[in-house]
Amino acid sequence: AQSVTQLDSHVSVSEGTPVLLRCNYSSSYSPSLFWYVQHPNKGLQLLLKYTSAATLVKGINGFEAEFKKSETSFHLTKPSAHMSDAAEYFCVVTPGVDYKLSFGAGTTVTVRA
Amino acid sequence: DAGVTQSPTHLIKTRGQHVTLRCSPISGHKSVSWYQQVLGQGPQFIFQYYEKEERGRGNFPDRFSARQFPNYSSELNVNALLLGDSALYLCASSQVRVGNEQFFGPGTRLTVL
Repeated sequence: AQSVTQLDSHVSVSEGTPVLLRCNYSSSYSPSLFWYVQHPNKGLQLLLKYTSAATLVKGINGFEAEFKKSETSFHLTKPSAHMSDAAEYFCVVTPGVDYKLSFGAGTTVTVRA
Repeated sequence: DAGVTQSPTHLIKTRGQHVTLRCSPISGHKSVSWYQQVLGQGPQFIFQYYEKEERGRGNFPDRFSARQFPNYSSELNVNALLLGDSALYLCASSQVRVGNEQFFGPGTRLTVL
């Protein structure tokens, strides 16, 4: 079985400051890990994915995440937040043997001007 | 290229009724998955169909059913609607069953009164 825990339900940052969204996972197999973003009234968009290649993964819009097996973590970061980053972010895990995505509960990001 | 499309966008039903939601995958994608997203939560996996066969099922009652057509489009059916079925229903498509990114549609917002 696999599961994801997003450690923060809500993160508030000032524009131009770093963003950190924390995610821990558990998986019986070597997992694939993803971060998706969901803007209000829009579909889910993939930010980045880890599939057992480089442990530091770069995604779209300046986001990156680091896979740490020893800590079972896959935290998402961005050096400088922009107002357009305000959205709901989901950490997602899927094991290597099937394609069912398991989503975390989500982290709401608010960006202050 | 068109992304994943879903219809209808919004739907209001009353308890006990049934509903059919439709999804058209990205051209060339043979796998379709359905997810339920209750307000304030992450999406939950309902079904995966690949090459017109059910390949995975989440923890949902038998009131939920789905099928995939020869053109790879899909329908999700829910019978005997309950208030708790009110949610955003998301469809995702991918090129292969395992390992590739899933592309999500904008969803169908179902309200059960």
